[in-house]
Amino acid sequence: AQSVTQPDIHITVSEGASLELRCNYSYGATPYLFWYVQSPGQGLQLLLKYFSGDTLVQGIKGFEAEFKRSQSSFNLRKPSVHWSDAAEYFCAVAPSYNTDKLIFGTGTRLQVFP
Amino acid sequence: KAGVTQTPRYLIKTRGQQVTLSCSPISGHRSVSWYQQTPGQGLQFLFEYFSETQRNKGNFPGRFSGRQFSNSRSEMNVSTLELGDSALYLCASSRGGGVNTEAFFGQGTRLTVV
Repeated sequence: AQSVTQPDIHITVSEGASLELRCNYSYGATPYLFWYVQSPGQGLQLLLKYFSGDTLVQGIKGFEAEFKRSQSSFNLRKPSVHWSDAAEYFCAVAPSYNTDKLIFGTGTRLQVFP
Repeated sequence: KAGVTQTPRYLIKTRGQQVTLSCSPISGHRSVSWYQQTPGQGLQFLFEYFSETQRNKGNFPGRFSGRQFSNSRSEMNVSTLELGDSALYLCASSRGGGVNTEAFFGQGTRLTVV
């Protein structure tokens, strides 16, 4: 069965520092991968997604992610973190193309210090 | 345009009662998915509806049910509530084209079972 692992439950960074959030997936075929962000009291917002093609994907709010098939990873990065980036981040995989169903990782809570 | 609207935002129920949650999708969207979010289990897929038909179902007991109306609005029902049903219930809507169409999430309904 498809699954997603986010090894880091909580990450703390200083404002202006670079960020990398890890995501590993388990899936036999080409995965459909997503990163979502959830601010306190809010729903989820899509940051970026990968289906095929260029393995480096650009998203909103200055985020990017790199798909590495050899490592089964889809890590999220940002060169310089802003205080407003403090939130919970979820990696997700879609088990098939013709569905909206998503399998989420357990999330990484990002704390940003000034 | 208006986003995904979930009502009510907060709900307190007693064990053994039943509850109905509502989700109004973005205009023109035909697919609605439901998720349960808890600190222990994270985000778990409940079900997905497309054009009034259940397209996918997660691994939840039969106490959890849902439906979609002809105007794409969706409801989910939980009968015989248990303490463990306390959670944030999120719904997402999309145009229904599968992973190629973005799903937009509502802010959720926070259900507390006492």
